[in-house]
Amino acid sequence: AQSVTQPDIHITVSEGASLELRCNYSYGATPYLFWYVQSPGQGLQLLLKYFSGDTLVQGIKGFEAEFKRSQSSFNLRKPSVHWSDAAEYFCAVGVGAGNMLTFGGGTRLMVKP
Amino acid sequence: DAGVIQSPRHEVTEMGQEVTLRCKPISGHNSLFWYRQTMMRGLELLIYFNNNVPIDDSGMPEDRFSAKMPNASFSTLKIQPSEPRDSAVYFCASFPKRGTGGTEAFFGQGTRLTVV
Repeated sequence: AQSVTQPDIHITVSEGASLELRCNYSYGATPYLFWYVQSPGQGLQLLLKYFSGDTLVQGIKGFEAEFKRSQSSFNLRKPSVHWSDAAEYFCAVGVGAGNMLTFGGGTRLMVKP
Repeated sequence: DAGVIQSPRHEVTEMGQEVTLRCKPISGHNSLFWYRQTMMRGLELLIYFNNNVPIDDSGMPEDRFSAKMPNASFSTLKIQPSEPRDSAVYFCASFPKRGTGGTEAFFGQGTRLTVV
């Protein structure tokens, strides 16, 4: 069965600093990979996804992620964090047609002024 | 499109009562998912429908939980009887038909259920 691990439960960064959120997955086939963001009291919004092709994918809000098959990783990055990026971030692997999602435990990002 | 619509947004009920959560998927989407989010267990897939038919309900925790999708535009998740440990945020998500170019699931705002 597939699984997703987000090793960091909480991360605090200063506004303007760079960010990297880690995600490792376990899946026997080529994965569909996603990053979602959840603001307090809200649903999940897709930041970006990887299905195939270029292993560096660009998403919304200035985020990008890199798929590394050899490391079974799909880390999320942003060069300069804004206070509005404070939220919880979820990595997910999709199976079936890519639509049944298994989520990691999430990383809560806090941004210091 | 207004997106995936869930109702109610908040529900507080007493232990033993029946609770029904509702979801309207995005028009034209043919896959629907119910997820539960708790602090202890994170986001868990409860059940998945495709073309209104339940495909995978292995995540449904117990027989107290049931879900239906009578048509393409409506689904319910029912808990009867409810227990305090059912307190969670329940999300509904829909996914486009294959061949339409869509490749992502869209989530509703969730229903926060509190069972006292």
